[in-house]
Amino acid sequence: KNQVEQSPQSLIILEGKNCTLQCNYTVSPFSNLRWYKQDTGRGPVSLTIMTFSENTKSNGRYTATLDADTKQSSLHITASQLSDSASYICVAKQTGANNLFFGTGTRLTVIP
Amino acid sequence: NAGVMQNPRHLVRRRGQEARLRCSPMKGHSHVYWYRQLPEEGLKFMVYLQKENIIDESGMPKERFSAEFPKEGPSILRIQQVVRGDSAAYFCASSPGRLQGVGYNEQFFGPGTRLTVL
Repeated sequence: KNQVEQSPQSLIILEGKNCTLQCNYTVSPFSNLRWYKQDTGRGPVSLTIMTFSENTKSNGRYTATLDADTKQSSLHITASQLSDSASYICVAKQTGANNLFFGTGTRLTVIP
Repeated sequence: NAGVMQNPRHLVRRRGQEARLRCSPMKGHSHVYWYRQLPEEGLKFMVYLQKENIIDESGMPKERFSAEFPKEGPSILRIQQVVRGDSAAYFCASSPGRLQGVGYNEQFFGPGTRLTVL
C-alpha cells in the first residue's frame, strides 16, 4: 500500500533553535519526494523536490535529505523563526502516476 | 502573475444541496488537480484534468462527485446531494506540464475551499 508517514505529529521549539522532521514512505515505484509548508487556512507551498538520485537539497534555512534505500527523508530547519510555525508535509510521487501521496504533516510551533 | 485562485473560500451547504467549487489555474497552466483534506488527515488525490479532458479520476467517489475543466473558464468540482461526510477542505493545484513529464513539474496550490455541510 502506498503510504507516507511523518513524525513527530507535532513539535514545539524555541525561536532560534534547530529541528528535524522525519518522513517514511512506501510509495513504489518511487519517482520523487517533496516537502511542503502549509500555513493554517492556506494551500501547501513547495519547499524542496528530490528525485531518487538526490541525497540532499537546500532552500534557505530548510535542508531536506533523502535515503531512497531506506525510504526515509528528513527536513531540517535551522535558526527557526516565528514565521516557521506551520504544518510541514512530506509528499511522495509514484513513477507513472498522476497523483501525489501526502503525509498527514508535522505541526511545528515556534515560540519566542 | 496571480497564483491559483479558488472560490468561494468558505461554503456552507445543507444536506442534500449541491456544492460548486471553482479553481482558476495559474496563467499558462493547463493541468489541474483536485485534492480533498479531511480534518486531521493528509491531502488525498481526487482528479486530474487538462482542458476539456479528465485524465485521471481514480480518487473521485463514484457517485455525486464530478469535475470539469472547460475550454474557457475555471475548473469546477461539483458535489451533488452533499452529506456531512463531505465537509472538508478542497484544494486545487495547477502545473505547466504533466507530473510525469521530463523532470518533475511543480504543482502550485490554491488557498482551498472549506466546505461545511450542516
